[in-house]
Amino acid sequence: KNEVEQSPQNLTAQEGEFITINCSYSVGISALHWLQQHPGGGIVSLFMLSSGKKKHGRLIATINIQEKHSSLHITASHPRDSAVYICAVRTSTPGNQFYFGTGTSLTVIP
Amino acid sequence: DGGITQSPKYLFRKEGQNVTLSCEQNLNHDAMYWYRQDPGQGLRLIYYSQIVNDFQKGDIAEGYSVSREKKESFPLTVTSAQKNPTAFYLCASKPQGIHEAFFGQGTRLTVV
Repeated sequence: KNEVEQSPQNLTAQEGEFITINCSYSVGISALHWLQQHPGGGIVSLFMLSSGKKKHGRLIATINIQEKHSSLHITASHPRDSAVYICAVRTSTPGNQFYFGTGTSLTVIP
Repeated sequence: DGGITQSPKYLFRKEGQNVTLSCEQNLNHDAMYWYRQDPGQGLRLIYYSQIVNDFQKGDIAEGYSVSREKKESFPLTVTSAQKNPTAFYLCASKPQGIHEAFFGQGTRLTVV
């Protein structure tokens, strides 16, 4: 079983739709990251969360530490949001390594 | 600006050749990490280093080597012993005891 599970694996949306990507994890964490990976592979860090909620433009990320769950929301989706979104958790154990979800591939159709 | 830089973004090598991927950070971070991504899989830990001149193997260290002679640099060498070197490689760094972490843009290595 993976330490980090994301859903859905693939998502297609019409431009303007509200999108939610979910991340569940099974290890103790000190922080959770949402990353965006564009075609060609370049990674961009979107959010780092240890509690609560963060908002940046049309992107909102929430985390529930008790339920070991995080969501990434995109409001008013746009074709340029098309990318793979990856959830990464940093463990609270010595070494503080990261575990990554397999990613959610989002395609937004005009 | 402070940040973490991986270079190059795309790299091609012939089979049997060693190749070194660069990861440099000017954030004064103590810990640095190397991950590998294969199609349809999550990123997996290759090596990590928490202080200069010290590093530990991750889950898939075979066929790779690293060095940490300077705090700001953590190069990864993909050796000819790595059976399937074609992949996307991601470097990350973080300060000790603080949650924030930074990720490089990644290097896509293709071995032909």
